[in-house]
Amino acid sequence: GQNIDQPTEMTATEGAIVQINCTYQTSGFNGLFWYQQHAGEAPTFLSYNVLDGLEEKGRFSSFLSRSKGYSYLLLKELQMKDSASYLCAVMDSNYQLIWGAGTKLIIKP
Amino acid sequence: DGGITQSPKYLFRKEGQNVTLSCEQNLNHDAMYWYRQDPGQGLRLIYYSQIVNDFQKGDIAEGYSVSREKKESFPLTVTSAQKNPTAFYLCASSISPDLAQPQHFGDGTRLSIL
Repeated sequence: GQNIDQPTEMTATEGAIVQINCTYQTSGFNGLFWYQQHAGEAPTFLSYNVLDGLEEKGRFSSFLSRSKGYSYLLLKELQMKDSASYLCAVMDSNYQLIWGAGTKLIIKP
Repeated sequence: DGGITQSPKYLFRKEGQNVTLSCEQNLNHDAMYWYRQDPGQGLRLIYYSQIVNDFQKGDIAEGYSVSREKKESFPLTVTSAQKNPTAFYLCASSISPDLAQPQHFGDGTRLSIL
């Protein structure tokens, strides 16, 4: 079967760095997406990885290892507005997105 | 501004009633999707459409129906056969159904049972 695993909840301090992990097993692979979702709002696209390595975009970076079925989202210089759920999604061989349950990130002052 | 508009934001359904959730996009995207989001679970695909006048069942299509008569519009009907409809419903679109492009989401409709 297809499966995406990510931690349910994480807590970090304002100004610090946090790494949110995602492991996956899917039927085929056409890339991995990270989305941010504030409570009661729509998910918004953060990053896309299809090749191994690190993609950096401002304070956010995303890493992929296809051989290990593993990705992480790295958030630097955390701000209170980064409190949200972070969703990992893998695009399978049929170009359908398989979604993880999301990681709720709590930022403390 | 281009985007996806879902309405209403909140919806209440009575027993035995069908309700329709609206989704309109002006992004000129070919593909559109309906997801259901429940607490503690990932987004689950209800239906998707790759082109006008065509749509496919997703993982949890039972109790739901859709239509795609226009490229811009992809309404979802929650029928009385859906016994547990309380959830957050998200509509999304993407440029093409067979390209690795991100999906863009509307603001969602929260459906509850009266």
